[in-house]
Amino acid sequence: GAGVSQSPSNKVTEKGKDVELRCDPISGHTALYWYRQSLGQGLEFLIYFQGNSAPDKSGLPSDRFSAERTGGSVSTLTIQRTQQEDSAVYLCASSRSGDLTYEQYFGPGTRLTVT
Amino acid sequence: TQLLKQSPQFLSIQEGENLTVYCNSSSVFSSLQWYRQEPGEGPVLLVTVVTGGEVKKLKRLTFQFGDARKDSSLHITAAQPGDTGLYLCASGGSYIPTFGRGTSLIVHP
Repeated sequence: GAGVSQSPSNKVTEKGKDVELRCDPISGHTALYWYRQSLGQGLEFLIYFQGNSAPDKSGLPSDRFSAERTGGSVSTLTIQRTQQEDSAVYLCASSRSGDLTYEQYFGPGTRLTVT
Repeated sequence: TQLLKQSPQFLSIQEGENLTVYCNSSSVFSSLQWYRQEPGEGPVLLVTVVTGGEVKKLKRLTFQFGDARKDSSLHITAAQPGDTGLYLCASGGSYIPTFGRGTSLIVHP
């Protein structure tokens, strides 16, 4: 079956522009996670969805970041007024449940470069 | 926030050598996961350990969860170039996952 897909795979944008990153989770997975991975850093948790609800948004680094999930499926992560420090790989993962004993399936990521 | 410390940060070895990487914390975890990430890809789950003292084997990889469930190790026997990648440990048992920074392993032919 299809895995987690993300688009675009690469995005180069100018400082100050808005960007939207998309994640298509595995069908039937209720939990969806967004992470940010910078060079030499671990995975930084951004936000978690259970269904369409995000119980905890405290991982979002600033109010320029927002995310939504519709229909319990596709999710978009939006970064407004991008800054150079936003450059990173943004990873999405889905899981059967929010219980972390279940495997998270990751997408290939979107590499964002802010010039 | 639970902090997971992984060591070593980098490891460069020759094919056929054995190696061990570590994941340590001052906190107790209900479960811990190991992932491997290859360049340009997302992490892929290798194993989940749940019980203190648990040992799991996956071909040439041996995973151990500490008795106190605060640490874990991954041992690779006779490493191969295909083992090259970033090895990440992650905490479970909470809906907010925490990942270590990983051990970057390069196995030279």
